Amino acid sequence: SQTIHQWPATLVQPVGSPLSLECTVEGTSNPNLYWYRQAAGRGLQLLFYSVGIGQISSEVPQNLSASRPQDRQFILSSKKLLLSDSGFYLCAWSEGAYYGYTFGSGTRLTVV
Amino acid sequence: DQQVKQNSPSLSVQEGRISILNCDYTNSMFDYFLWYKKYPAEGPTFLISISSIKDKNEDGRFTVFLNKSAKHLSLHIVPSQPGDSAVYFCAASALKTSGTYKYIFGTGTRLKVLA
Repeated sequence: SQTIHQWPATLVQPVGSPLSLECTVEGTSNPNLYWYRQAAGRGLQLLFYSVGIGQISSEVPQNLSASRPQDRQFILSSKKLLLSDSGFYLCAWSEGAYYGYTFGSGTRLTVV
Repeated sequence: DQQVKQNSPSLSVQEGRISILNCDYTNSMFDYFLWYKKYPAEGPTFLISISSIKDKNEDGRFTVFLNKSAKHLSLHIVPSQPGDSAVYFCAASALKTSGTYKYIFGTGTRLKVLA
């Protein structure tokens, strides 16, 4: 069966520090991968999605970047965190088309 | 521009009664809709979906209704149970030319079922 792993679960980082959140999927190949952020009052906002290795689409201009170095690995990064980057970050995967998403357990990021 | 809107941030319902969660969308190209349930500090879990070719889909206690002319969908939970207390997100998507889907989520409605 397919599983999605996301870590760490919580993270407290100072302003200006770098960020790296990792997401991996098991049990499937060539998944569509997504990074979402849940901020207060904003619901789940799509940040990036990827349909294959090295293919990244950015939905919202921001201080973050994403990379997909391997088929089942998706990384969210920042060189210098801002206070506004605080939120709950969710990785998700999909087989595409009408299958919806399966979400990871999320990372609570607090930038102080 | 919020293409998917859940105008009720919270809802309280007595156990055993019906919970109705509403969602409105603006993009007429959306052709697939999902409802997700989310507990604190966890990722959302899929509840039920509906395609734009249908106006109703039922799965146990959960029923989703779609009114395309009004660009409105609703989730009915009958009977409501305390374990249903969570945040519910609706999501909508349209098939992109690249063959992928990307879902736009609403802001969520926090449902509290009172025992």
